[in-house]
Amino acid sequence: AQSVAQPEDQVNVAEGNPLTVKCTYSVSGNPYLFWYVQYPNRGLQFLLKYITGDNLVKGSYGFEAEFNKSQTSFHLKKPSALVSDSALYFCAVRPTDSWGKLQFGAGTQVVVTP
Amino acid sequence: EAEVAQSPRYKITEKSQAVAFWCDPISGHATLYWYRQILGQGPELLVQFQDESVVDDSQLPKDRFSAERLKGVDSTLKIQPAELGDSAMYLCASSPVGGAVEFEETQYFGPGTRLLVL
Repeated sequence: AQSVAQPEDQVNVAEGNPLTVKCTYSVSGNPYLFWYVQYPNRGLQFLLKYITGDNLVKGSYGFEAEFNKSQTSFHLKKPSALVSDSALYFCAVRPTDSWGKLQFGAGTQVVVTP
Repeated sequence: EAEVAQSPRYKITEKSQAVAFWCDPISGHATLYWYRQILGQGPELLVQFQDESVVDDSQLPKDRFSAERLKGVDSTLKIQPAELGDSAMYLCASSPVGGAVEFEETQYFGPGTRLLVL
């Protein structure tokens, strides 16, 4: 069975500093990997995905993520955080042999202070 | 930019009552998903439709939950009777099908319906 772990419930960072949100996964076979962001009382917004190809994926709002197969990780990064990046971030995985169904992590709350 | 529509945005009901949520996916998206998100957790898939057919409802509590997508476009999720433990955010998402897998894979979410059962 597949699983996703986001080891940090909350990440605190000062505005202008680099932001990293960690995600590790366990799936059979090759995974499709996703990051979504959720603002209070809102649905999830798609940030980026890894399907195949280059391990470094660039997405919306200056975010990027690196797929590391040996470490089974897909950490989300942003070089310079903004106060407006404060939100709840979810990592999700789908095994390539399980059409459609995403397994989400528990989420990481990001707090960016001015 | 096309969006997934959901209504109502908020619903308060008493236990044992019936509730229904509506979702209109992005036009042309053949795949529709209903997720439940309990506070402090990630979303969990309840049911997945491909056009009007159910693809996966293994996590749907079928004794009280039902979902339909009769014409393969919009969808309704119903709970009858509602229980206290059903209080959660109910999210609808859609994705296209056909073409490259990179195009198919992204699920687009609506704003959700927050349900409170008293």
